[in-house]
Amino acid sequence: GAVVSQHPSWVICKSGTSVKIECRSLDFQATTMFWYRQFPKQSLMLMATSNEGSKATYEQGVEKDKFLINHASLTLSTLTVTSAHPEDSSFYICSARDAAVNTEAFFGQGTRLTVV
Amino acid sequence: DAKTTQPTSMDCAEGRAANLPCNHSTISGNEYVYWYRQIHSQGPQYIIHGLKNNETNEMASLIITEDRKSSTLILPHATLRDTAVYYCIVSDSGGSNYKLTFGKGTLLTVNP
Repeated sequence: GAVVSQHPSWVICKSGTSVKIECRSLDFQATTMFWYRQFPKQSLMLMATSNEGSKATYEQGVEKDKFLINHASLTLSTLTVTSAHPEDSSFYICSARDAAVNTEAFFGQGTRLTVV
Repeated sequence: DAKTTQPTSMDCAEGRAANLPCNHSTISGNEYVYWYRQIHSQGPQYIIHGLKNNETNEMASLIITEDRKSSTLILPHATLRDTAVYYCIVSDSGGSNYKLTFGKGTLLTVNP
């Protein structure tokens, strides 16, 4: 299957700082990217959907000013967690698909964020 | 909310076939059935998807009932590395209607 790469795999940051997570599609054009969050022993929860060149669509209850999403190119999307707090500690996962050809979505390996 | 129902957990002996059921009684005509799995602390891995017909690839087979209200994912020869949470998801495949909403999935444990 297609390859989606996330970076970093894990990050520890201080409370109040911002953290940026990158998601890249390595061998296909990601017209649509999705960002998920997963807390321990829970399922993945969709945070937002972004289409290349457009503003992201956030799911209900997700603060768009806190979780900034940029999808400026067909191979890169970034999620910035602003003013991070300990309750933002979670496993963040991106996925990407080429909506132009209706492919399935492929997932990155995830980023473990710990806010101390 | 997820539109599928799966058993919470299942066990399978190594080398045997693993049959994972999924109910999706409210599936609409343009929605596909997707299967993903997640091994601990990793991102989900795509397995297979289908609309009406049964599908097979190098990883698994997908059997969809004629009324499309349920399906079964079959891992023909389970190995220890197949231990994971398996998610059955229904979604429209077209454009902005595509959205993978994860339920709780089935924890498949393959035993030696």
